[in-house]
Amino acid sequence: DTEVTQTPKHLVMGMTNKKSLKCEQHMGHRAMYWYKQKAKKPPELMFVYSYEKLSINESVPSRFSPECPNSSLLNLHLHALQPEDSALYLCASSQGPDRVEGNQPQHFGDGTRLSIL
Amino acid sequence: DQQVKQNSPSLSVQEGRISILNCDYTNSMFDYFLWYKKYPAEGPTFLISISSIKDKNEDGRFTVFLNKSAKHLSLHIVPSQPGDSAVYFCAASGAQGGSEKLVFGKGTKLTVNP
Repeated sequence: DTEVTQTPKHLVMGMTNKKSLKCEQHMGHRAMYWYKQKAKKPPELMFVYSYEKLSINESVPSRFSPECPNSSLLNLHLHALQPEDSALYLCASSQGPDRVEGNQPQHFGDGTRLSIL
Repeated sequence: DQQVKQNSPSLSVQEGRISILNCDYTNSMFDYFLWYKKYPAEGPTFLISISSIKDKNEDGRFTVFLNKSAKHLSLHIVPSQPGDSAVYFCAASGAQGGSEKLVFGKGTKLTVNP
């Protein structure tokens, strides 16, 4: 069982809809991530939150809006998506960037399978 | 420009034998390397990692070797089991983006035949 929980597991939405993806971890991790993965491709980084502040935005279109309400939660708000945005959206978390304990791996949830009609 | 390359899209081995998965990287600033395993309909699962100050790290049946001069790492699985059948991703971090920016290879699909 993954320690990073993502909801919903599947989401179908129209191009005019507004929806949100949710991610939760209770490992005390201080860094959280959103990735996008298309079929037969590797995960691609979208956003990084470090200590609840956005630290990396990989030039993601504004129709994707991340939010980190607290250290355990990460949301991805979706609005006016395009069919090419259909993909698996993965959330991950890790200890954080301070490297006191050395490098630490990122741990992934099982993802939300998003389909845009 | 692919910074992390897994040139073998697939690998098939017999149960009990060794599986060797390879990965090459181009960015000499990478200092932390990881292997993830991914089953269909699940997220990537962390397997093993290695820091650039080491050349080998072992965890049970899994061993990762790092050759910095060749910018090459490999994952050895001994003995291979049918449950190891999955897609394996190599990943690296430590470039300009810091430890948070993981760059993944395209993956190698491993099939372990009973």
